[in-house]
Amino acid sequence: SQQGEEDPQALSIQEGENATMNCSYKTSINNLQWYRQNSGRGLVHLILIRSNEREKHSGRLRVTLDTSKKSSSLLITASRAADTASYFCAPFTGGGNKLTFGTGTQLKVEL
Amino acid sequence: GAGVSQTPSNKVTEKGKYVELRCDPISGHTALYWYRQSLGQGPEFLIYFQGTGAADDSGLPNDRFFAVRPEGSVSTLKIQRTERGDSAVYLCASSLTKSTDTQYFGPGTRLTVL
Repeated sequence: SQQGEEDPQALSIQEGENATMNCSYKTSINNLQWYRQNSGRGLVHLILIRSNEREKHSGRLRVTLDTSKKSSSLLITASRAADTASYFCAPFTGGGNKLTFGTGTQLKVEL
Repeated sequence: GAGVSQTPSNKVTEKGKYVELRCDPISGHTALYWYRQSLGQGPEFLIYFQGTGAADDSGLPNDRFFAVRPEGSVSTLKIQRTERGDSAVYLCASSLTKSTDTQYFGPGTRLTVL
């Protein structure tokens, strides 16, 4: 399966700390997307990183991609309580038409 | 601008009944996707439309599930003879042109089959 596997499954930190989530996948990709989900409802798109990119930033978010290791990481700096959510990575392969999600990392940011 | 909308937000039905779930994509988006998410799991792909046609329906679990997009905009996911195992959140997403573009998700429909 080409689904992304997130690690850790759960992460609890204090407000102001950085949070790092990792994603591994199995085969070559076209791009990899990170999403956030609150309370089991709609997913919010965070960042799309293409296979020829190594790093991408958006506000407090930093995503890296290492295609040789088939892994990606999402860093949230200066976390806030509002960042509490589930985070999913979704690899996208050129031969497919779908995002394949793992079970996500449940991040809890405590005051 | 308006995002992806889905109706109803919640649907409770009895085992064996027929249900329809509606998705209204972002205006101008030609690609539309349906996913299903069970508790504690990530979304699972069901079907992908490019325009009016189903380009990939490999994720539909069986022939009780069917989806249409007759005019290339709104899509309806139809489930016949619902079973308790169909209970999940059904998510719709759209992207601008092709499946490699960023996908934008709607809020989902929570289906409960009693």
